[in-house]
Parts: sequence; structure tokens; C-alpha cells
Amino acid sequence: GENVEQHPSTLSVQEGDSAVIKCTYSDSASNYFPWYKQELGKRPQLIIDIRSNVGEKKDQRIAVTLNKTAKHFSLHITETQPEDSAVYFCAASNASGTYKYIFGTGTRLKVLA
Amino acid sequence: KAGVTQTPRYLIKTRGQQVTLSCSPISGHRSVSWYQQTPGQGLQFLFEYFSETQRNKGNFPGRFSGRQFSNSRSEMNVSTLELGDSALYLCASSFGTGTSYEQYFGPGTRLTVT
Repeated sequence: GENVEQHPSTLSVQEGDSAVIKCTYSDSASNYFPWYKQELGKRPQLIIDIRSNVGEKKDQRIAVTLNKTAKHFSLHITETQPEDSAVYFCAASNASGTYKYIFGTGTRLKVLA
Repeated sequence: KAGVTQTPRYLIKTRGQQVTLSCSPISGHRSVSWYQQTPGQGLQFLFEYFSETQRNKGNFPGRFSGRQFSNSRSEMNVSTLELGDSALYLCASSFGTGTSYEQYFGPGTRLTVT
């Protein structure tokens, strides 16, 4: 069945350093890859997404890359700040077909001041 | 534009009881998806509704069911509650058609089964 693997499960970085979270998906029909940030006690918030016809997308300090051949996509956060500390989830979806979103198991990011 | 809302926010139920959770999507969104979030399993897909029809479902037992109304509001029901059903239940809405794929989450309903 469909599966999304996410690594690492926890990540600690010093403030100002970069953080990278990686995901691998199994369903080759996936065409939409969002990333969500969930702070403690709050709802997941969409922070960036990428579609299968694009290899990279950037929004200020956040970027996402997609390798369709390898079925890999990654989240890159540069110049990390304490407020970046949260759990990050990747997801893969066949957004124009089954409309089913499969989520990774999450990465707990801690930015140390 | 108001965001996705869920009621109630917290629920405590006893094993064997049943529960109904409600989700109101963003205005204009016709798709509502439901997820179960637990510390060990992350976000597990339950089902997705679009225009009152279930389009997809995850791998949950038949005790979990849902429906969607003509105004796109959705409810999910869990019958014969088990201790393992304790979780945060999140719904998310999207347009569900066309080329706008973004999905937005509600605050969740925290269900505790004792």
C-alpha cells in the first residue's frame, strides 16, 4: 500500500544552522507534496508545498526539493530560529486522483538557542 | 475567511459508548478529510468526503464511519469505543477539485476513552 517514510524522527540544531528533513514515498501516482508544521497543542499548519512538475520551491528560509525518479522530497530550513521548533510532517498525495493524503510519522525539530 | 472548525474540542467517553464529532470546512471547500493522530502513529487517514460522497477511506475498522451534508459540513462517528481510540481527531478541508490542492486543518477533537 501507499507509504511515506520520514527521517529523522528527531533533530536538534543550533540556532542559525540549517535543518534538513527527508521523506520517501511509494505511490508513483503522487503528484502533490505538502509540508506541515505542528506546534505543541496546535493544528498542523501548511508551510510549503511542491507539485510533481517542479523540482524545487523556495519561500524565504524554507525550501523543498523533489526527486521524482528516486521518489524523494526534502524540507530545508536555513538560519533556524527558536520559533522553528515544532514537529514537521511531510505528506504525499495523488491530489487530482484519489485525493488521499499519506503522511510521514513526523520530525521533532529542536532549535537550541 | 473563517478557518476549519471542529466541535467539540474535548471529549471523555467510556469503553463501549459511541461518539460523534463534527467538522465545518472553510467556506467554498467541498472536500473534508478525517485523520487520527496518536503519538506513535502520526497522522492516519480515516476517510475523505466530497459533495456528500465518500471518495476514499483508510484502513480503519467499520466502527469508524462518516458522512457529509449538503453544506459540506462533515461528521464522523465511532461506535463501540475502545481504549485504543483515544487520540486527537483532525479534519482538514480543501476544494477537492480543480488544481487547488491545499488542505487546511481544524484544531482537532481530543477524545479520551476510559
